Amino acid sequence: AQKVTQAQTEISVVEKEDVTLDCVYETRDTTYYLFWYKQPPSGELVFLIRRNSFDEQNEISGRYSWNFQKSTSSFNFTITASQVVDSAVYFCALSEASGTDKLIFGTGTRLQVFP
Amino acid sequence: ETGVTQTPRHLVMGMTNKKSLKCEQHLGHNAMYWYKQSAKKPLELMFVYNFKEQTENNSVPSRFSPECPNSSHLFLHLHTLQPEDSALYLCASSQAATDYEQYFGPGTRLTVT
Repeated sequence: AQKVTQAQTEISVVEKEDVTLDCVYETRDTTYYLFWYKQPPSGELVFLIRRNSFDEQNEISGRYSWNFQKSTSSFNFTITASQVVDSAVYFCALSEASGTDKLIFGTGTRLQVFP
Repeated sequence: ETGVTQTPRHLVMGMTNKKSLKCEQHLGHNAMYWYKQSAKKPLELMFVYNFKEQTENNSVPSRFSPECPNSSHLFLHLHTLQPEDSALYLCASSQAATDYEQYFGPGTRLTVT
């Protein structure tokens, strides 16, 4: 069965702190895709990254970085030097190449960055 | 207009009303989706359309009726809704229905009274 778990419901940090959002997934497929989305208070989900199961290289994009580890079925997201504008709900999601046209989302982690 | 647009942004309707939500994507994508986001629940996929054909109906009650006249437009027709249907309804599109990243609209906040 496919499942995405984001155990951290809410995280609060002070500006300039680094913060890591955890994502653990379950799938029986060998080919799958992982995603992170950001949902600011305006409500619109913003695509951040897509990673396929064969690419375990970590990725860095500005202050954002992602750590994909198949051995622990995790795809964690780190924000370095957090800013108030990073405050949002962050969702991790999974899709299986052999599965239906479904994107399975985790329950999200609400990040609050205080000045 | 760019990206994915949704109208209306807010809707209040009684249980006996009939209304429709509209979604339009300007990205040249071939797949479109409806999601429901309720408080304290994961995002729930409702419907998927790929090249105008419905490929997924995630056990959605018949009081929700989707329509996809072309790859750029998606509607969600609503009738005889229940208060528990109050939620944020999000539309998304992607290049194709499998494995590609989805781009979301701002959502319609629906309140059923």
